[in-house]
Amino acid sequence: EPEVTQTPSHQVTQMGQEVILRCVPISNHLYFYWYRQILGQKVEFLVSFYNNEISEKSEIFDDQFSVERPDGSNFTLKIRSTKLEDSAMYFCATARGLNTGELFFGEGSRLTVL
Amino acid sequence: SQELEQSPQSLIVQEGKNLTINCTSSKTLYGLYWYKQKYGEGLIFLMMLQKGGEEKSHEKITAKLDEKKQQSSLHITASQPSHAGIYLCGADLNAGNMLTFGGGTRLMVKP
Repeated sequence: EPEVTQTPSHQVTQMGQEVILRCVPISNHLYFYWYRQILGQKVEFLVSFYNNEISEKSEIFDDQFSVERPDGSNFTLKIRSTKLEDSAMYFCATARGLNTGELFFGEGSRLTVL
Repeated sequence: SQELEQSPQSLIVQEGKNLTINCTSSKTLYGLYWYKQKYGEGLIFLMMLQKGGEEKSHEKITAKLDEKKQQSSLHITASQPSHAGIYLCGADLNAGNMLTFGGGTRLMVKP
């Protein structure tokens, strides 16, 4: 069964450091998303990406965050200068289209900022 | 007020019992997704409902959508320990897969 894969599964970093989280989408999927879940809280939408550009972003997705799909396979989330409050589980999700009935999530990357 | 409310927040049932989890939106639903999450792990897609009155089943799990009430229910028949986990509903409120999630229902099934 096709799946969304994310790396790393867990990353520990010092405050102020840059972090890149990677996602390999399901091969025929065209819509890509990042969500995050702070421990004990709800899953929150960060950003959606289609046709090599951001389509929507939430207020959480400030200038410290960026996304790209540089090589046509990996979809990355970069946090430029991490803060303590960025500690969370980050989920990549992909879909074949809009309203197609399925939005698949990866296993998540746990980011711990010290 | 919360855009998406789930109830109950937690549930402990005896193995073999049926249970229902509810999800209510304060806004129009373009789609309602149900996921299962084990603690600290990813979200496993269960099913997605789009049309009012729609009902889908997967093994012993059935989900229904009441579009007028902006509400969905997830029903598990004859629960098993393998059903334990956190059930999340996610609402597509903008027709763009940008889901708003409920707070989750933590289910424990006692053998």
